[in-house]
Amino acid sequence: GQQLNQSPQSMFIQEGEDVSMNCTSSSIFNTWLWYKQDPGEGPVLLIALYKAGELTSNGRLTAQFGITRKDSFLNISASIPSDVGIYFCAGQLRNTGNQFYFGTGTSLTVIP
Amino acid sequence: GAVVSQHPSRVICKSGTSVKIECRSLDFQATTMFWYRQFPKQSLMLMATSNEGSKATYEQGVEKDKFLINHASLTLSTLTVTSAHPEDSSFYICSARLSGGYSYEQYFGPGTRLTVT
Repeated sequence: GQQLNQSPQSMFIQEGEDVSMNCTSSSIFNTWLWYKQDPGEGPVLLIALYKAGELTSNGRLTAQFGITRKDSFLNISASIPSDVGIYFCAGQLRNTGNQFYFGTGTSLTVIP
Repeated sequence: GAVVSQHPSRVICKSGTSVKIECRSLDFQATTMFWYRQFPKQSLMLMATSNEGSKATYEQGVEKDKFLINHASLTLSTLTVTSAHPEDSSFYICSARLSGGYSYEQYFGPGTRLTVT
């Protein structure tokens, strides 16, 4: 499968701080998605991006589709304790089927 | 809307037995479903793409004879782990793509924790 690298691998932040994480690949992607996964549960879609350069917000979350189509980033502003979880990026390759490939994940811990 | 269920949520089986995991889209039709495997503190690894009424497409390195996938209807896909071994213990997650929707509109089930003893 495809390799999507996320950084940082983990983050420990104070409540109220902003968070930034990114996802990079050597392949060109058609669509980027960002998911949040709580322990023992399936991922929940946060934001979908399908156009290079696109910047999309969902509440305190903002994500961008990189111009090169090989990267994306996710920002969370004014973090709160319920933001705790693992964040995954996922990309859909151009000229392939509907498969999405997941990044390595960023574990976020918010300290109250 | 767009709820995906998985059954069972947890299963423990003995080595050598087979286990079937069901993935259902409860309130929408899903032409395509995906099966993922996730080891502790790791990412989701795509195992196979399941299309209703046709054979599943497996990712490289995934044994199709070991992980049998059947997508008999627009709301149900099953994954059977045959002759399970302890190394098959993992968290298995399915997702279902909304038929006729955007390709990113896939919704995940809550996962099934398989433990092989």
